[in-house]
Amino acid sequence: DTAVSQTPKYLVTQMGNDKSIKCEQNLGHDTMYWYKQDSKKFLKIMFSYNNKELIINETVPNRFSPKSPDKAHLNLHINSLELGDSAVYFCASSQGARGFGETQYFGPGTRLLVL
Amino acid sequence: DAKTTQPNSMESNEEEPVHLPCNHSTISGTDYIHWYRQLPSQGPEYVIHGLTSNVNNRMASLAIAEDRKSSTLILHRATLRDAAVYYCILRYAGGTSYGKLTFGQGTILTVHP
Repeated sequence: DTAVSQTPKYLVTQMGNDKSIKCEQNLGHDTMYWYKQDSKKFLKIMFSYNNKELIINETVPNRFSPKSPDKAHLNLHINSLELGDSAVYFCASSQGARGFGETQYFGPGTRLLVL
Repeated sequence: DAKTTQPNSMESNEEEPVHLPCNHSTISGTDYIHWYRQLPSQGPEYVIHGLTSNVNNRMASLAIAEDRKSSTLILHRATLRDAAVYYCILRYAGGTSYGKLTFGQGTILTVHP
């Protein structure tokens, strides 16, 4: 009964490859997010979608492209992977977009290692 | 988002109370104070949030200073499972913040048996 799930849990790939990470939430939330946690453990927002519409797009290379086929899913596609993309990627969701009082629910993370 | 300052690390013994401080001297009147924690190898987890008054829930209590320039997360009886990184985050209530959480370095809490 996982609220926010991500696949795969681990991803090891070579530089230059293209890969996708999938996220699904069964909470009925309208808003979903992607965060990146680097090797120094800093967590940073990358993207956010509200009702399938992109509402946050932080300074992220164009190689990263999010896609929300419906409110329950937010996928992250990464082209031409680089060593610096190695990190843990977390998906999250919340009921609304304004967020000042909203609780965000995080997935377990996808550990990406680029060799 | 306004900035927060937390100690890098704290230690506690099991079953003792833990007070985790957070300074946010540039907080604005519409900023909510949120606490999340991240257990080892897991995603962040919501703990508690408040605006002006102290708040209690099943996980913790949040004590907010009268001038709102600081707050304290209180774990009443620490357990080994509470060992985690605790993040104090300010969230702006209006504009186009769109709910993003801006994480700082957090406080690493170690709980000793």
